[in-house]
Amino acid sequence: AQSVSQHNHHVILSEAASLELGCNYSYGGTVNLFWYVQYPGQHLQLLLKYFSGDPLVKGIKGFEAEFIKSKFSFNLRKPSVQWSDTAEYFCAHATGTASKLTFGTGTRLQVTL
Amino acid sequence: GAGVSQSPSNKVTEKGKDVELRCDPISGHTALYWYRQRLGQGLEFLIYFQGNSAPDKSGLPSDRFSAERTGESVSTLTIQRTQQEDSAVYLCASSLGLNPTYEQYFGPGTRLTVT
Repeated sequence: AQSVSQHNHHVILSEAASLELGCNYSYGGTVNLFWYVQYPGQHLQLLLKYFSGDPLVKGIKGFEAEFIKSKFSFNLRKPSVQWSDTAEYFCAHATGTASKLTFGTGTRLQVTL
Repeated sequence: GAGVSQSPSNKVTEKGKDVELRCDPISGHTALYWYRQRLGQGLEFLIYFQGNSAPDKSGLPSDRFSAERTGESVSTLTIQRTQQEDSAVYLCASSLGLNPTYEQYFGPGTRLTVT
């Protein structure tokens, strides 16, 4: 069965620090990778996605992610975090024709002032 | 425009009771998905609909779980004879179609607590 692993469960950073959240997926077929974010009290929303082409994808709010096929990884990065980036971040992989999402367990990011 | 809505937002029920969770997708979205998130775990796929057809029910945890959808609108997830392990946040998402290039828009979820 496909799986998505997020090894960082809780990350605490100061404002302006750089961020990298790890994500590894197990599926060896078609790649459809996503990062979702859930801000406190809000719905889950899409940050960015990768299907093919340039392995470095840019999303909203200054986030980017790099797909590295050889490592089965899709790490999320941001050069300088803000307090407003405090949220839970989920990596996901869509498989099959139905686009069922397989999610990682999430990483809680806390940004301190 | 209106997003995906779910009701109720919170539901507390006694073990053994049946519960019905409702999802109203974004108008025009033909695909609808149900996921659940148990404490400390990632979101887990349950079932999807294309129109009112549910071709893949493999994610439903047991035969106590069922779901239906009326046309391309409202969907209900029913859990019969609830158990404590059913406690979770149940999330619904909808998209324009099944292609993964179509973004899935999530609702706020229903927090189910089985006592």
